[in-house]
Amino acid sequence: QKEVEQDPGPLSVPEGAIVSLNCTYSNSAFQYFMWYRQYSRKGPELLMYTYSSGNKEDGRFTAQVDKSSKYISLFIRDSQPSDSATYLCAMTGTGANSKLTFGKGITLSVRP
Amino acid sequence: EAQVTQNPRYLITVTGKKLTVTCSQNMNHEYMSWYRQDPGLGLRQIYYSMNVEVTDKGDVPEGYKVSRKEKRNFPLILESPSPNQTSLYFCASSPSEGGNSPLHFGNGTRLTVT
Repeated sequence: QKEVEQDPGPLSVPEGAIVSLNCTYSNSAFQYFMWYRQYSRKGPELLMYTYSSGNKEDGRFTAQVDKSSKYISLFIRDSQPSDSATYLCAMTGTGANSKLTFGKGITLSVRP
Repeated sequence: EAQVTQNPRYLITVTGKKLTVTCSQNMNHEYMSWYRQDPGLGLRQIYYSMNVEVTDKGDVPEGYKVSRKEKRNFPLILESPSPNQTSLYFCASSPSEGGNSPLHFGNGTRLTVT
């Protein structure tokens, strides 16, 4: 089993839709969870950052972590064409588990 | 503006011709890293550096070299490039390694080796 699995996509939704992006992981030592957004011909940029379990909201974006199920999600409300990008989950722990591990990314297209 | 700068953005070369991709950050970060991104494989770490003169292998180090003589610079060297090194390369930096120091990425170098 891979350490981090992410739905492969691609995903296409109409403007205004609620988008749910998900990752599962196997390493119970992971404590820090991130979502990066990568536009075409750009480097990934940090979108959301969460420590341990729980929810974090920033505008139209909500990151959710369920450590008991080893499952993280990113929700995008009222999706816009400008949200069209590749989204990568990433996670890490501390000490021997401090290497950042990425999902493979999912490409989202929001149709006007 | 805080940033990670990679050069060149695009590079086409031939097998065996040594090349260097430069990376510089202006945030005084201790940790720097190189990744390659390939379709279906995602981001894979090549090498990383915890500080000046401290470097270590990532997941796919074969065929690559790095050096960290100054805090701000972390060049990636391909001594004898081969076609399987055709990829999109990213340099990244953070204040330190670890989950409470998210990475800042450059805008990538697209390398083609013929």
